[in-house]
Amino acid sequence: AQSVAQPEDQVNVAEGNPLTVKCTYSVSGNPYLFWYVQYPNRGLQFLLKYITGDNLVKGSYGFEAEFNKSQTSFHLKKPSALVSDSALYFCAVKDDKIIFGKGTRLHILP
Amino acid sequence: EAQVTQNPRYLITVTGKKLTVTCSQNMNHEYMSWYRQDPGLGLRQIYYSMNVEVTDKGDVPEGYKVSRKEKRNFPLILESPSPNQTSLYFCASTPNPGQAEKLFFGSGTQLSVL
Repeated sequence: AQSVAQPEDQVNVAEGNPLTVKCTYSVSGNPYLFWYVQYPNRGLQFLLKYITGDNLVKGSYGFEAEFNKSQTSFHLKKPSALVSDSALYFCAVKDDKIIFGKGTRLHILP
Repeated sequence: EAQVTQNPRYLITVTGKKLTVTCSQNMNHEYMSWYRQDPGLGLRQIYYSMNVEVTDKGDVPEGYKVSRKEKRNFPLILESPSPNQTSLYFCASTPNPGQAEKLFFGSGTQLSVL
């Protein structure tokens, strides 16, 4: 059965520093992987996806994610964090259906 | 503007009093889905619909009903709400379930069952 794990409930990063939000997955076939962001009082918004091709995927708002097949990971990254990046981030995997992780709250400290 | 509209935004009710949360999309999407979001549990799928008159259970369907009589509407029905259904609910739609990057979410319905 497919699954996705986000091991950190919360990540705190100082503004201007690089950030990483972790995600690992388990699927039976080739993974379709996604990151979504949720701002307060809003629904989830799509950030980026990995289907096939380059292991480094670029998305919205300067975010990128690195697909690592051997480690079954799809970590979200950004070289320089902004206070406005503070939000709840969800990793998702699609095999036969879409499954979301539990979410990681990202706090960017001014 | 392309959007998924949920109503109401906030709802407080009492145990056993039937309620309906409406969801409507204006993008002619075939696939619609309901999720509940709880702290530490993330999003869990309640029901989904691949097309008109086609609905299926998600991971946590107990205590919920849905219907899909028209393509644009996918209401969530709680026949006899209980306190454990207090949660934040999201409706979402996409042209097809393989296009998660095109999942459009509503703004959510915060439900409190007393």
